Amino acid sequence: EAQVTQNPRYLITVTGKKLTVTCSQNMNHEYMSWYRQDPGLGLRQIYYSMNVEVTDKGDVPEGYKVSRKEKRNFPLILESPSPNQTSLYFCASSLGWTGPTGELFFGEGSRLTVL
Amino acid sequence: AQKITQTQPGMFVQEKEAVTLDCTYDTSDPSYGLFWYKQPSSGEMIFLIYQGSYDQQNATEGRYSLNFQKARKSANLVISASQLGDSAMYFCAMREGRYNFNKFYFGSGTKLNVKP
Repeated sequence: EAQVTQNPRYLITVTGKKLTVTCSQNMNHEYMSWYRQDPGLGLRQIYYSMNVEVTDKGDVPEGYKVSRKEKRNFPLILESPSPNQTSLYFCASSLGWTGPTGELFFGEGSRLTVL
Repeated sequence: AQKITQTQPGMFVQEKEAVTLDCTYDTSDPSYGLFWYKQPSSGEMIFLIYQGSYDQQNATEGRYSLNFQKARKSANLVISASQLGDSAMYFCAMREGRYNFNKFYFGSGTKLNVKP
């Protein structure tokens, strides 16, 4: 089954404790990206990656890091989480990266709470 | 300026009636794609429909259709014959095709409640 898998789905942590949210897709997609969803703001792009070793900032990259060492994996790293990073996070992938086609396939979301 | 604007935070519709969810967009890129996603209370994001900027006809997918008015930069989602299972959050999104094709822009969403 084609899917994007995120882990963990739920996490409560404390300020400053480094954490990683993993994301893996089995569709051989070149394009992967991370979003955070906050009430009233919709989804905002954090980072994206066009292919292995190619990543770039989205609209809200502060406080986050990513890496793309393998095509299928795109982990999101919070080096020193703060309460304002409490949010619902989505990883997504897409086949097309040239032109406007290619809808995003989303993971199930990871709800993160930073105390 | 907002790339995607959804002006209806919440809407109610009677079961079996049609409903239109508004979306306007802002871009100077002649090549772009417009998407609608559904997010039920369980949280997952479900792709509904896509419209390309060069498509001559409005996109349709079952009970979903996209009312694409290019000159007005609007891409409204029409759901015909609403069902209780349509109660969810709906997001409009855009991907530009030439200048910023790596970025997806989302609106703030519209919460639809279908009444029995």
